[in-house]
Amino acid sequence: QSVLTQPPSASGTPGQRVTISCSGSSSDIGINTVNWYQHLPGTAPKLLIYGNNNRPSGVPDRFSGSKSGTSASLAISGLQSEDEADYFCAVWDDRLSLYLFGIGTKVTVL
Amino acid sequence: QITLKESGPTLVKPTQTLTLTCSVSGFSLSTSGVGVGWIRQAPRKALESLALIYWDDDKLYNPSLKSRLSIRKDNSKNQVVLTMTNMDPVDTGTYYCAHSMGGSPFDPWGQGTLVIVSS
Repeated sequence: QSVLTQPPSASGTPGQRVTISCSGSSSDIGINTVNWYQHLPGTAPKLLIYGNNNRPSGVPDRFSGSKSGTSASLAISGLQSEDEADYFCAVWDDRLSLYLFGIGTKVTVL
Repeated sequence: QITLKESGPTLVKPTQTLTLTCSVSGFSLSTSGVGVGWIRQAPRKALESLALIYWDDDKLYNPSLKSRLSIRKDNSKNQVVLTMTNMDPVDTGTYYCAHSMGGSPFDPWGQGTLVIVSS
């Protein structure tokens, strides 16, 4: 099964900006919107960004998303210790009629 | 408040059939547009969609696992049940159920339930 490509890890010091990439194809990211989740071990994944760049109510505006072609990015500005978590992207695949997920990027706050 | 909670056996033997239940609250499984999906994550692997059932009983399955999967819902019990046959150690992982509305992304998710396949 196809998966979306993400870097395994990213890090930054408090206050810095961290960017996570998500690479797909013409049948998923190329034609559908991208969603991002924050996941802490043992807890339910939390929707962070939907529709490429929209934040659900309650999500700080430090989190932002963007998409270009078959790739997308999640940016965390003003990094905080509580942002230390796994982040994964998700997109609907029209060809397979299911959601595809990235393997996740572990963000470490140094 | 919408909540979902997965339940089922933690340990299953190879070749056995796994049955998982997703108990939901805060919404009705018969409301137009509602969907509930099952997703799993094997250790050190990406999340993988398994199946999705909609309010009108329409069902979608991961093509690579379709022969082994079955999803159904019981509106009166507010439950969505997933069965997976012929379990193998590679099926070990955390299994999640999640809510979707009108084609929106899965939100929220349950906390997941760990399934270990071992003899």
